Amino acid sequence: QLRLQESGPGLVRPSETLSLNCVVSSGTIIRSNYYWGWIRQPPGKGLEWLGSVYFRGDTYYNPSLKSRVTISLDTSKSETQFSLRLTSVTAADTAVYFCARHRGDPGTIVDSFFDYWGQGTLVPVSS
Amino acid sequence: SDELTQPPSVSVSPGQTARITCSGDALSKHYSYWYQQKPGQAPLMVIHIDTERPSGIPERFSGSSSGTTVTLTISGVQAEDEADYYCQSTDNSGTSVVFGGGTRLTVL
Repeated sequence: QLRLQESGPGLVRPSETLSLNCVVSSGTIIRSNYYWGWIRQPPGKGLEWLGSVYFRGDTYYNPSLKSRVTISLDTSKSETQFSLRLTSVTAADTAVYFCARHRGDPGTIVDSFFDYWGQGTLVPVSS
Repeated sequence: SDELTQPPSVSVSPGQTARITCSGDALSKHYSYWYQQKPGQAPLMVIHIDTERPSGIPERFSGSSSGTTVTLTISGVQAEDEADYYCQSTDNSGTSVVFGGGTRLTVL
């Protein structure tokens, strides 16, 4: 059974960079037809997709956050981790951040979906 | 518009049928997916490719599509179905994932 686990700081200061890691167990991220994505959910609100990365390095980002988001594979460590960086955070970035396996065809995220999710990690942004 | 619009809330009594709609221009071109989210949990996909039910999802969950509107139907609603439900698709350009705003299903 594939499992995903987010990890990162418990608190981020305004204007700083939020960095999260997602470890994928019982599998590798180097697989065709799978992207690896981040989705967030502010307290009491809905889901917002941040972006996804393919094992070859192709990336897709939410246009509203594209200037602040970077999603990458941590190939220097292993074939089982990917990460999120969100720069210049404000209180509006306070949310539960989920990593997820994003199933889709190579070269496009049309008709793609999320079939495995991490449990999520709450990241408050506060001074 | 690339937005997906859902009603904020739907309420039904146990045993009745709940229908949750999701509307958006992109739905006439791209497939839809539905997720169930219970408090404190990650979302769980209950319908994919508009109408297909993933393995392990009860038969009372079904999906349908017509033009720019897709519908999640839960027949014979049970107390355990009380949750938030989100639709998801791709935007018109095919380069961005979009979620609906979510619908809270209350079982009376």
